[in-house]
Amino acid sequence: QKEVEQNSGPLSVPEGAIASLNCTYSDRVSQSFFWYRQYSGKSPELIMSIYSNGDKEDGRFTAQLNKASQYVSLLIRDSQPSDSATYLCAVDGGATNKLIFGTGTLLAVQP
Amino acid sequence: EAQVTQNPRYLITVTGKKLTVTCSQNMNHEYMSWYRQDPGLGLRQIYYSMNVEVTDKGDVPEGYKVSRKEKRNFPLILESPSPNQTSLYFCASGSGTDTQYFGPGTRLTVL
Repeated sequence: QKEVEQNSGPLSVPEGAIASLNCTYSDRVSQSFFWYRQYSGKSPELIMSIYSNGDKEDGRFTAQLNKASQYVSLLIRDSQPSDSATYLCAVDGGATNKLIFGTGTLLAVQP
Repeated sequence: EAQVTQNPRYLITVTGKKLTVTCSQNMNHEYMSWYRQDPGLGLRQIYYSMNVEVTDKGDVPEGYKVSRKEKRNFPLILESPSPNQTSLYFCASGSGTDTQYFGPGTRLTVL
């Protein structure tokens, strides 16, 4: 069973701090990695995708990928209360066309 | 407006009464999929479709059927719903497993 694991949280950070969200995956042949944000009662929306080892930055968000360690992370700089949501890590199913999600990490940014 | 629509948004039914949840997208996406979201279990893929007449099982296909007769539509069919299918269901579409655009969700209760 291919797995994507995340700490469920809640991860509580003060406003303006850096929030660090982590994800590990089990399938070594996975090539595509995604972070989705889901506000309470809403549907998930894509905020970052990453395909190569290293860092990818987009505004206040930085995704980091380490394929050797099978590890993906998301850093949110200058966290805002509006960033409070559940963050879902998703990984492609390797040789399949499935998309496998982790259970999500609840982030709470305290004003 | 580019969107994925689902109907109904809320449904309460009884065990064994066949139901269909419709999903439609207007973005000409080839890839469509259905997920269920349950507390503590996250988003799990039920079925996905790479294109018209091409469907495949996700991780939790038991008790569900799908069809893809047209590119824009991907209905989810529960032939004999049971209480363990009570869940929040999301339809999503994309050009592949990359960026998935999610519908608003269907909250299903099976009594």
